Amino acid sequence: DMKVTQMPRYLIKRMGENVLLECGQDMSHETMYWYRQDPGLGLQLIYISYDVDSNSEGDIPKGYRVSRKKREHFSLILDSAKTNQTSVYFCASSVNTGQLYFGEGSKLTVL
Amino acid sequence: GDSVTQTEGQVALSEEDFLTIHCNYSASGYPALFWYVQYPGEGPQFLFRASRDKEKGSSRGFEATYNKETTSFHLQKASVQESDSAVYYCALGGASSSFSKLVFGQGTSLSVVP
Repeated sequence: DMKVTQMPRYLIKRMGENVLLECGQDMSHETMYWYRQDPGLGLQLIYISYDVDSNSEGDIPKGYRVSRKKREHFSLILDSAKTNQTSVYFCASSVNTGQLYFGEGSKLTVL
Repeated sequence: GDSVTQTEGQVALSEEDFLTIHCNYSASGYPALFWYVQYPGEGPQFLFRASRDKEKGSSRGFEATYNKETTSFHLQKASVQESDSAVYYCALGGASSSFSKLVFGQGTSLSVVP
């Protein structure tokens, strides 16, 4: 059905708590991404995954880690969240043609 | 490294106005160029792409022409509607990096009033 699903859509955490953002896709795409979006900064690439257990840092990986144990599922983990990680996080997948399919976003607030 | 610059951070228009959002790029090699659109509360969506000089990409009434000489890929629409209010991102890929890693501009927020 060509869909990228993100859970949860909204999340409020306290500073120092762990955060797990999950993403699934039903297109069997090899490549998946995590971006964050902040006002005035556009889309910043956190991590890219080329397939199961084949992950690479993007432009802003500090403070984040990822896990991909199944092709259709890609997780973003924040160990001990910080207030400056308050943002909207987008997952995406692609077949390396430049056409990315994005999820609807996960809005994280860290208090 | 490769980069994309969108001149306008915000654009405000009335319905039926002509739209231009400027996009210029800097890249080694010969990149493909893309436009994405993000409606409020949604993730970005692929709009269209162009892969070679003078190629025109188009979708939903929007169009842009790849210009290698001026390193530009400006987005245009002849008559905007309120439903076109969104954030528009220009991007490039396939130059020094593969298509798996696009470089996005900072986005242009378009607001169209009736």
